[in-house]
This record gives sequence, C-alpha cells and structure tokens, in this order.
Amino acid sequence: QKEVEQNSGPLSVPEGAIASLNCTYSDRGSQSFFWYRQYSGKSPELIMSIYSNGDKEDGRFTAQLNKASQYVSLLIRDSQPSDSATYLCAVNKGTYKYIFGTGTRLKVLA
Amino acid sequence: GAGVSQTPSNKVTEKGKYVELRCDPISGHTALYWYRQSLGQGPEFLIYFQGTGAADDSGLPNDRFFAVRPEGSVSTLKIQRTERGDSAVYLCASSPQGNEQFFGPGTRLTVL
Repeated sequence: QKEVEQNSGPLSVPEGAIASLNCTYSDRGSQSFFWYRQYSGKSPELIMSIYSNGDKEDGRFTAQLNKASQYVSLLIRDSQPSDSATYLCAVNKGTYKYIFGTGTRLKVLA
Repeated sequence: GAGVSQTPSNKVTEKGKYVELRCDPISGHTALYWYRQSLGQGPEFLIYFQGTGAADDSGLPNDRFFAVRPEGSVSTLKIQRTERGDSAVYLCASSPQGNEQFFGPGTRLTVL
C-alpha cells in the first residue's frame, strides 16, 4: 500500500463545474496536508495547506480533511481551463519528511 | 522577492560521470529539501536540511548521492558515477520553518 494514494486520472470536468480531487494516506500519525498544482513541465506550486479536521476555503479552492477516514480532498469551484494541471497531495507525519502522491491530472473542458 | 533558483536548468551527461546540481533558496528560509521527480510520478523525497545540517537524508537512494549546504543557504546535490536510472527532474524546495514548501524550477538531468 502506498503511503499517499491518488487516482491518476485524467479527471475531466466541464468549465464552470466543481472538480473534486481525493487523496488517501496510510499513516494515521500524519499531521499536515498540502495540495500542490503542477503544470506540465513546471514545478509544483502550493495551493492549500490544512492541519485540522474540517474544511478550509481559499477563493475557489476548498480543502477538506477527515483524519478518522484518512483522506483529504480538494474542491475547485467554477473550474476554468487554466485549472487544467496535475494536482499533487502531500502529507507530513510531523517530521520534516513529506510524502507526495503521484498526482491527479485534471482537464477542464471549455 | 526572488524565488528558489536552480542551476543548471538542464544537464546532459554520460553514464559514469559526476554531476553537481545547485539550489539557491529563498532568502531567510532555513529549511531546504531535495526531491527527484520521474515522469508521471510525484516528487520523491531525497534529503532535508535545517540550516547547515542534513536533518534527514533517508531518501538518498545510495551512496552515490550526496548533498551539502555549508553556509546554511545554497545547497549542492552531488551524484557520482551517474547511471541512466538517475535521469529525472531534480527539484529543490525551501521553507521558512519546514512546513509550506516553495519549489524551484528544477534541473532536468539526462544520463546517456
């Protein structure tokens, strides 16, 4: 079992729809969680961080964390073609070592 | 302010050669990370520095890989006797306190 699992996609959504990206993790001791966006050929860019159970909203992005079920999700409202990218989930176990998932490729169709 | 910079952006070398990859973190960031990313994969942790010391080097794949950060700022990742399997994008990230990381543009290493 991988430490951080994501569906590789592609996840295709129409422009204006809500994109829902999911990530599960295996270590129950994980403490902090991050979503990065990576455009093709570019480096990862931090979108959201979340540390406690519940929802955290930032503009069109909402991160959701459920530690009991060991999953973290990212919702993108009003999806735009410019949101088309690979979204990486990263988990930190309280050390400074971060484990990344393989990423989910999102395609927003105009 | 300036972000994380990495040089070179591309490096092509022959199997068996030695390479050095440089990372210049954001000024004031004490934490520095090296990752390796292969096509279709997420970044794979290699090593973490807090200041000058390597706090966690558990991700270095073998003793051909070594990294330094002598003055607590610029870091160099060194790979000896390169192999074709070392071909990847090598990413550096820095962080003010070891939480949220900011990535550099990466160095694409190709070993022929």
